[in-house]
Amino acid sequence: NAGVTQTPKFQVLKTGQSMTLQCAQDMNHEYMSWYRQDPGMGLRLIHYSVGAGITDQGEVPNGYNVSRSTTEDFPLRLLSAAPSQTSVYFCASSSPGLAGYEQFFGPGTRLTVL
Amino acid sequence: GQQLNQSPQSMFIQEGEDVSMNCTSSSIFNTWLWYKQDPGEGPVLLIALYKAGELTSNGRLTAQFGITRKDSFLNISASIPSDVGIYFCAGQRDAGGTSYGKLTFGQGTILTVHP
Repeated sequence: NAGVTQTPKFQVLKTGQSMTLQCAQDMNHEYMSWYRQDPGMGLRLIHYSVGAGITDQGEVPNGYNVSRSTTEDFPLRLLSAAPSQTSVYFCASSSPGLAGYEQFFGPGTRLTVL
Repeated sequence: GQQLNQSPQSMFIQEGEDVSMNCTSSSIFNTWLWYKQDPGEGPVLLIALYKAGELTSNGRLTAQFGITRKDSFLNISASIPSDVGIYFCAGQRDAGGTSYGKLTFGQGTILTVHP
């Protein structure tokens, strides 16, 4: 199993550009989430999904869109990148069958918006 | 906004020393989790706590779920250089339904261990 994979690992965008951060998991987990990590802020939830076709907003959803057409994939779209979206983005997956609500995190995408 | 206060923000210790960090909240959580993040990697779960008052160990790590459900602490005994990283607490409020994806994280404690 590859676990949770994220692409790209690094990305530099100009203000106003759009892009999609990819996330995939091969553990057949129902739940997937996107977080951003900023210095001194911990991880903050952007969007999450409890199954294909079902998504909901987290703590900091503005400027981001998600969709969940398959169990495996959960892409995060930046509609018009802003410098405030410079951050490290983590995708995570989980399952109600797992003890401790354990979320498995991907390696992250480091995004810089100029 | 951020609801968990984690302290200390950073620690510099000598190898072999014990470490203690804690997390407090103004709200009740039903599950407390402790994660470790190595440089350039995503967080990895260390310990999960499900019941108020619960004390759980994982090797040299011990964590407790506060009686009030508003706090938790993590102890690391006899630290070693590979303990270096960022430690996060996380709380989950509800069990069941659509809450499984929603964790609230603390700001993190950066641990540096000098050999």
